[in-house]
Amino acid sequence: KAGVTQTPRYLIKTRGQQVTLSCSPISGHRSVSWYQQTPGQGLQFLFEYFSETQRNKGNFPGRFSGRQFSNSRSEMNVSTLELGDSALYLCASSLSPGTSAENEQYFGPGTRLTVT
Amino acid sequence: GNSVTQMEGPVTLSEEAFLTINCTYTATGYPSLFWYVQYPGEGLQLLLKATKADDKGSNKGFEATYRKETTSFHLEKGSVQVSDSAVYFCALSDSGNQFYFGTGTSLTVIP
Repeated sequence: KAGVTQTPRYLIKTRGQQVTLSCSPISGHRSVSWYQQTPGQGLQFLFEYFSETQRNKGNFPGRFSGRQFSNSRSEMNVSTLELGDSALYLCASSLSPGTSAENEQYFGPGTRLTVT
Repeated sequence: GNSVTQMEGPVTLSEEAFLTINCTYTATGYPSLFWYVQYPGEGLQLLLKATKADDKGSNKGFEATYRKETTSFHLEKGSVQVSDSAVYFCALSDSGNQFYFGTGTSLTVIP
């Protein structure tokens, strides 16, 4: 079974631009979560989607947004990029809520975003 | 609020040494607890988990026991190998399935 895939793997953007990152979950997984990983702050939860609806949201500004499609693939968007947005963005998928393995998350390799 | 605190690194050990990485948590209710490992250039991989008090999670020689009385979930391995060099993250998930991660502990094992 293929794992979680994220595209692109590396991205360089300029301050003020916007960026869209993509995540394809493991087949059969319907929940997708996004995290930002930086050396200073560690792993911080951005948001979680299930059945095209945002279930949980972390403490990030409105410049960070996401969506999920009917095939469970998810995208996150960051508008008006700032230097501090440089980070590794990780996507994780898990089975639908209500199953015993609900809370096992499987991570993708991440997208390394550099803002200059 | 919910949070996870784990020992700061980096940790450097010789091959076959005993490993302990401390992790304590703060949470309401009855969270599930996890250890994830991240190898260079890769995403996080689930190493082990425990879903209720006194449960022991184990995998690849690593173990951790869910201690509700001390709110801890320390990671241990009796004999580390060079291939265990990685960053280890302690995490909890709450009743709403939201995850909280520790800051990570970098482990280097030298031959």
